[in-house]
Amino acid sequence: RKEVEQDPGPFNVPEGATVAFNCTYSNSASQSFFWYRQDCRKEPKLLMSVYSSGNEDGRFTAQLNRASQYISLLIRDSKLSDSATYLCVVNIRGEKLTFGTGTRLTIIP
Amino acid sequence: DTGVSQDPRHKITKRGQNVTFRCDPISEHNRLYWYRQTLGQGPEFLTYFQNEAQLEKSRLLSDRFSAERPKGSFSTLEIQRTEQGDSAMYLCASWGASSNTQYFGPGTRLTVL
Repeated sequence: RKEVEQDPGPFNVPEGATVAFNCTYSNSASQSFFWYRQDCRKEPKLLMSVYSSGNEDGRFTAQLNRASQYISLLIRDSKLSDSATYLCVVNIRGEKLTFGTGTRLTIIP
Repeated sequence: DTGVSQDPRHKITKRGQNVTFRCDPISEHNRLYWYRQTLGQGPEFLTYFQNEAQLEKSRLLSDRFSAERPKGSFSTLEIQRTEQGDSAMYLCASWGASSNTQYFGPGTRLTVL
């Protein structure tokens, strides 16, 4: 079983729609959690950290459920510029990052 | 631009040749990480340094791979006797005490013919 599992997609959604991604992780000792965004042939860039209390950054909302070992990302009012691969990331011992395979999102005009 | 730089950005080589990549982290960051990413996969951890000490190596890092960070600043990753399976994006990331996560460089895309 992979340490971090995501639905690879692709998700093709119309502009303006709301889209949700989910991710599960297997190591209960995981300490910190993130969503990174990766554009085609570019490096991953931090989108947002994820906290148990839930956190919001503009149109993006992230949620962590430690009991279920489940992380989510919600994008509201999607824009064409949101098209990218979204990587679910956990940090297990405060050292290396462990990535999911990524979920590819395409926003359709 | 995260402040992490990598060189070269692209490398094409023939099977059996040696290649070396360089990473310059954000200057105040004491930790430097190497990852490898193949098509359709997320980045996979290879190794990391705290200052000049190499603290962890993944089982992905075969004996053909070696990494150094001699002065605790820039790092090099060398692959000897390259194989076609080494074709990937090699990503460097850095972390410092003031950061909540790692910041990635633009990567070196290696193609082994």
